[in-house]
Amino acid sequence: QKEVEQNSGPLSVPEGAIASLNCTYSDRGSQSFFWYRQYSGKSPELIMSIYSNGDKEDGRFTAQLNKASQYVSLLIRDSQPSDSATYLCAVTEYGNKLVFGAGTILRVKS
Amino acid sequence: DGGITQSPKYLFRKEGQNVTLSCEQNLNHDAMYWYRQDPGQGLRLIYYSQIVNDFQKGDIAEGYSVSREKKESFPLTVTSAQKNPTAFYLCASSDGLGAGYGYTFGSGTRLTVV
Repeated sequence: QKEVEQNSGPLSVPEGAIASLNCTYSDRGSQSFFWYRQYSGKSPELIMSIYSNGDKEDGRFTAQLNKASQYVSLLIRDSQPSDSATYLCAVTEYGNKLVFGAGTILRVKS
Repeated sequence: DGGITQSPKYLFRKEGQNVTLSCEQNLNHDAMYWYRQDPGQGLRLIYYSQIVNDFQKGDIAEGYSVSREKKESFPLTVTSAQKNPTAFYLCASSDGLGAGYGYTFGSGTRLTVV
């Protein structure tokens, strides 16, 4: 069973701060990595994908990947109360499917 | 607009009853997936299909069945053999994970045993 580990949180940050979310994975063969945001009672929505080592930026979001350490992270700059949600890390598994972590709850306090 | 439609949004099942959750997509995606989410837990894969008339078991397939007779449709049946079916069920489709597109999710069906 391939595993994806996330700190369940909650991670609390003040409005305007940087939120840092982390994820480790067990399958060295994983090729693509995704971050989803899930509001309470809603379905997940894709916010970032990354498959090369290094950083990938999209607006206030930066995904970071280190395949040697089997580590992927998501930075949210200028955090807003609307960013309060559960963030799911997902990793590809052989067979064209995703394995999800349990998610990190983020709370942004105004 | 293209997307995935799940129905119903809420479903109540009596003990010993089979129920079917609908999932329809108009994104022309080949791959479709069913996940289950329990409170405070991540998504667990039930079944997936890469192509019409073919599907594979995921990590928790016991008590569930699927069919893929059309590219657009991937219904999930929760049978009476599933002893703890109360959960949030999510259907997803994909155009290719290797390209970084990820999944597109439907809005989910919340199933409760009464």
